[in-house]
Amino acid sequence: NAGVTQTPKFQVLKTGQSMTLQCAQDMNHNSMYWYRQDPGMGLRLIYYSASEGTTDKGEVPNGYNVSRLNKREFSLRLESAAPSQTSVYFCASWTMRAREPQHFGDGTRLSIL
Amino acid sequence: DAKTTQPTSMDCAEGRAANLPCNHSTISGNEYVYWYRQIHSQGPQYIIHGLKNNETNEMASLIITEDRKSSTLILPHATLRDTAVYYCIVRVGARNAGNMLTFGGGTRLMVKP
Repeated sequence: NAGVTQTPKFQVLKTGQSMTLQCAQDMNHNSMYWYRQDPGMGLRLIYYSASEGTTDKGEVPNGYNVSRLNKREFSLRLESAAPSQTSVYFCASWTMRAREPQHFGDGTRLSIL
Repeated sequence: DAKTTQPTSMDCAEGRAANLPCNHSTISGNEYVYWYRQIHSQGPQYIIHGLKNNETNEMASLIITEDRKSSTLILPHATLRDTAVYYCIVRVGARNAGNMLTFGGGTRLMVKP
């Protein structure tokens, strides 16, 4: 079972470059999420999508854009990367049923020089 | 969502039970307690969750106090592979994607030989 798949796993960018992180889930979940995790910190929510065609800001949305391409895919775009965006990015999905947990991908490690 | 308080770190001897406490004194009646763990900066892994009653699955047991203001995650026979950061989270179990998980600092559990 693939679950939540993120690509790429690692990436190095120069300041000012743009990049799109990809996320896909095969569990037919309604909602999808993007988090970032800085060293020694917990996860912080960037954006989420309750359903196909909708997106909403989370705790730290500045500098990012998202697209819910279809029910399976939710992408995160950095238009002009900054060193402060160096982090590990996690994608997650959820059925929105109370008894079901969120499922997470293995992360994308992004370094911006 | 209610805030949670966890110890920053704990040690446990291999083969012994690991008891990880969590305080959530402002929890509301409709909020669930979830536990996740994160190993080596991989994506968070769901462990267990509960509302009022104690819960047990193949990974762990969750003990929730009668007043629901605190809980304890129990790993009955800790192994070296259980070394990880453990997150206690409370969240309303409603069909609202905006009820995203908020990860604090968690407890860093070190299982020692």
